[in-house]
Amino acid sequence: KAGVTQTPRYLIKTRGQQVTLSCSPISGHRSVSWYQQTPGQGLQFLFEYFSETQRNKGNFPGRFSGRQFSNSRSEMNVSTLELGDSALYLCASSGSGRGAYNEQFFGPGTRLTVL
Amino acid sequence: GENVEQHPSTLSVQEGDSAVIKCTYSDSASNYFPWYKQELGKGPQLIIDIRSNVGEKKDQRIAVTLNKTAKHFSLHITETQPEDSAVYFCAARLNGNQFYFGTGTSLTVIP
Repeated sequence: KAGVTQTPRYLIKTRGQQVTLSCSPISGHRSVSWYQQTPGQGLQFLFEYFSETQRNKGNFPGRFSGRQFSNSRSEMNVSTLELGDSALYLCASSGSGRGAYNEQFFGPGTRLTVL
Repeated sequence: GENVEQHPSTLSVQEGDSAVIKCTYSDSASNYFPWYKQELGKGPQLIIDIRSNVGEKKDQRIAVTLNKTAKHFSLHITETQPEDSAVYFCAARLNGNQFYFGTGTSLTVIP
């Protein structure tokens, strides 16, 4: 099976702009989670989508949003970019259902730099 | 919510020695504990996991132990090799809810 893919791999934006990142989960996986990774804060959970519905949400401002399509692909959007949004954005997919032991697999990430 | 603490933040070992990374969690109801390895420029890779109904799990040179009473779990790497150098993250999950991650341990294996 192909792994989790994320596009683009690198992005450079300026403050005030918006950005959309894309994630394609492992075939058959219906859950997609997004994380922000920075050197100082580690892995911070943004949100999780399952069957096109947001199932869990982290503690991020409303500028961060996401959605999931019927084919389980997911996008996240960040509006009005700030310098502090510079980070590696990771997508992770896991299997169907709300099973407690569903393994989660990460993509390579999108490196976002805000100038 | 859950709170996961991870120690140490950095760890250097000689090649061939063992490395141990420890994590504690706060919610006694958490029941799934994966460990991830992240190499430079890559996403985290799942290397081993343990469920709350198991006390220990091994996979070749890697093992994880879980102490539910004390609410801590540990990653053990034996016979370390230079390619084990990476950042390791622990995580805890409660019944299909979000994963909570530790802050990571940067492991350096000195040849």
